[in-house]
Amino acid sequence: GENVEQHPSTLSVQEGDSAVIKCTYSDSASNYFPWYKQELGKGPQLIIDIRSNVGEKKDQRIAVTLNKTAKHFSLHITETQPEDSAVYFCAASDNQGGKLIFGQGTELSVKP
Amino acid sequence: NAGVTQTPKFQVLKTGQSMTLQCAQDMNHNSMYWYRQDPGMGLRLIYYSASEGTTDKGEVPNGYNVSRLNKREFSLRLESAAPSQTSVYFCASRRTGGQDTEAFFGQGTRLTVV
Repeated sequence: GENVEQHPSTLSVQEGDSAVIKCTYSDSASNYFPWYKQELGKGPQLIIDIRSNVGEKKDQRIAVTLNKTAKHFSLHITETQPEDSAVYFCAASDNQGGKLIFGQGTELSVKP
Repeated sequence: NAGVTQTPKFQVLKTGQSMTLQCAQDMNHNSMYWYRQDPGMGLRLIYYSASEGTTDKGEVPNGYNVSRLNKREFSLRLESAAPSQTSVYFCASRRTGGQDTEAFFGQGTRLTVV
């Protein structure tokens, strides 16, 4: 079955710097790759997603890249702000059976 | 439009007790999921249901059972709780088949087994 590995587990940056989180997946059938942000005491919420027919997607300060050949995808946050501090999860799924598998999470801390 | 609603929010069980975690969604989603979240382990899939009447094991199904009661509701049952099941449990739902969409999560159930 699908296995998703996420690195790093913790990331500390200065306000205004960029942050990059990387994930790899194992199942070549996976074709949907969402990223979620989880704030303390809440459920995860989608921040951006990418499908396998696209190599890159941007939404303001957030971008995701996908390399299907290498089976890895990354989240890029530019001009980080203290409110970006949270736990971020990557995930992967295919459109066959609905299974959605998450990585281990990255705790991002943005220092003012 | 409430989204995904989980009950209860908190629960303390004694080892060996049973309980059912309830989840309901009002978005007409076909797929529903149960995850557990432990420090350093991310969100691990327990069971999921791709449609009413079907359920499948996820990554960590042992010690749990599920019921997809109807399209809206997906319950998770612990028959004989163990301290290793102390965790935060999240229910989620989304539309799958064709082009998959984002999952919406409930607020979580914090379960402690003593």
